[in-house]
Amino acid sequence: DGGITQSPKYLFRKEGQNVTLSCEQNLNHDAMYWYRQDPGQGLRLIYYSQIVNDFQKGDIAEGYSVSREKKESFPLTVTSAQKNPTAFYLCASSILTYRVSYTGELFFGEGSRLTVL
Amino acid sequence: GQQLNQSPQSMFIQEGEDVSMNCTSSSIFNTWLWYKQDPGEGPVLLIALYKAGELTSNGRLTAQFGITRKDSFLNISASIPSDVGIYFCAGKMKTSYDKVIFGPGTSLSVIP
Repeated sequence: DGGITQSPKYLFRKEGQNVTLSCEQNLNHDAMYWYRQDPGQGLRLIYYSQIVNDFQKGDIAEGYSVSREKKESFPLTVTSAQKNPTAFYLCASSILTYRVSYTGELFFGEGSRLTVL
Repeated sequence: GQQLNQSPQSMFIQEGEDVSMNCTSSSIFNTWLWYKQDPGEGPVLLIALYKAGELTSNGRLTAQFGITRKDSFLNISASIPSDVGIYFCAGKMKTSYDKVIFGPGTSLSVIP
């Protein structure tokens, strides 16, 4: 079945460590996104990518980095520079606006919960 | 940056009651989306709206794209326990890139 797979589902990190969250999709979508979710704050965009080898900062990119070496994969690294990394991280994908079948829908993974000890 | 406001922030209702929630923005959107998130899961699309004034239904759910293009509402009729979750509105502006902005969510609790 097509979908988005995030791993790991739960992750614990010590302060000062970098961690990488994996996001893989087999929907053949061009665009991929990373959101951060904190209680009562909704979803905030960290980074997004519309094409391989290109990505753009979202609203809260500081302390995070991404890569898009393959269309199917968009890993997110939470660096030690991120002051408050404990959160629920969601990866999403979509087709691009100019595609005939575009609906505006984002398809989300099941999320990764990061806790800093 | 652009912001969406959702109200109410949370709701506690009796099973069988109807629910109404809305979303407003200071910016004009050309697409409104309503998502539902179950605890510990990613959001799932419920309804998408593409034209001002559009009214769309999906089972017990009905959503409308406001005439001003700055608001949208979602109604749920005859609520059931599985309606529990967080409901997000999301808007997309007509830009050259696919950036979708999410509201803070409305948390719905249904009392059996």
